[in-house]
Amino acid sequence: TQLLEQSPQFLSIQEGENLTVYCNSSSVFSSLQWYRQEPGEGPVLLVTVVTGGEVKKLKRLTFQFGDARKDSSLHITAAQPGDTGLYLCAGASGSARQLTFGSGTQLTVLP
Amino acid sequence: DAEITQSPRHKITETGRQVTLACHQTWNHNNMFWYRQDLGHGLRLIHYSYGVQDTNKGEVSDGYSVSRSNTEDLPLTLESAASSQTSVYFCASSEIAGGSYNEQFFGPGTRLTVL
Repeated sequence: TQLLEQSPQFLSIQEGENLTVYCNSSSVFSSLQWYRQEPGEGPVLLVTVVTGGEVKKLKRLTFQFGDARKDSSLHITAAQPGDTGLYLCAGASGSARQLTFGSGTQLTVLP
Repeated sequence: DAEITQSPRHKITETGRQVTLACHQTWNHNNMFWYRQDLGHGLRLIHYSYGVQDTNKGEVSDGYSVSRSNTEDLPLTLESAASSQTSVYFCASSEIAGGSYNEQFFGPGTRLTVL
């Protein structure tokens, strides 16, 4: 069974601070996705990274896929209260259509 | 607009009862998935289907079953509800693509409480 470990599990910061969330595994993934989930809703895809070393930016969010495709990070610059939510990483292996999800990072950005 | 819906949104039931959670998508996606979400565990895969008449067990399938009679629906049945099945359940769908990075579209979830 492939496992994805996310850290930290909880993060509470002040508006304007920077933060990084990590997603680590001992397994290699063919692609990795990041989702954000708000209370009472299902997760929504933020980004997919597929190439080792790939970096993608989405406004103030920067996503990186590790060179060995075993880990990923999400960096948020100048966090805002609207960034509050549960961030989930999810990995896909080979041609499998199912995803393995990490345990999630609950981010709270205080005004 | 295409969407994925779940019903009911909230359900309270008693131990031992059979419960069915509905999932309906209008994306015309072949792939459908059921997850449960518990604090500290993220999303865990219960069952999934790659098309009509196809069903597969996921990581935590014991006590659950699914059937796929058409493209749009994948109902999840708890044969005899147990307190350990108290959770939030999410249905998701994705399309077939050449690669392995299909975006999954999630429903709003069903909060199930088993007393």
